[in-house]
Amino acid sequence: ELKVEQNPLFLSMQEGKNYTIYCNYSTTSDRLYWYRQDPGKSLESLFVLLSNGAVKQEGRLMASLDTKARLSTLHITAAVHDLSATYFCAVDLYKAAGNKLTFGGGTRVLVKP
Amino acid sequence: GAVVSQHPSRVICKSGTSVKIECRSLDFQATTMFWYRQFPKQSLMLMATSNEGSKATYEQGVEKDKFLINHASLTLSTLTVTSAHPEDSSFYICSLTGTTRADTQYFGPGTRLTVL
Repeated sequence: ELKVEQNPLFLSMQEGKNYTIYCNYSTTSDRLYWYRQDPGKSLESLFVLLSNGAVKQEGRLMASLDTKARLSTLHITAAVHDLSATYFCAVDLYKAAGNKLTFGGGTRVLVKP
Repeated sequence: GAVVSQHPSRVICKSGTSVKIECRSLDFQATTMFWYRQFPKQSLMLMATSNEGSKATYEQGVEKDKFLINHASLTLSTLTVTSAHPEDSSFYICSLTGTTRADTQYFGPGTRLTVL
């Protein structure tokens, strides 16, 4: 059974500082996703990581994937208040399970001025 | 990205009644649709996967007779919560993929169900 673990579960950030969220998963994966969720809203897609060593960046967010370590990281550079949200990683065993996503527990991020 | 709608966005119902939630793909042929449930401050849990014209595949622990899924066409899937109880109160989110965009799931805006 695939397990996806995120840590930390809660992250209180100071504006201007850098932070990292970690996502570990238990079995070989085809794809890894990062999503953002604002309170009361659905998911917003941030990144899709398809291969070992993949790195993607958008604004202050950068995601990377190490398939050998079964680890993905979401790095936040110079945090700003607008980044306050809950961030989820999700793993897709496409070949084995046809796009079924298994989500991590989520990391609630609060950026304080 | 694809545009996905859900209706209603919020619904409040009495215990024992049934509620139907629609998930529509507005600009994309969705060969596969997924239904997720999210309890407050928790992660998303996959309930079932449906392919157009086929019976839905339910995840372990999800009662198929309680959560009826109909994937009627390439643009519409419905989730009916039958004989709803307060413990069914949750945020229900659909997502979809298609053959041309198989590496991405597009999520609907979600439906907040409250059962009194």
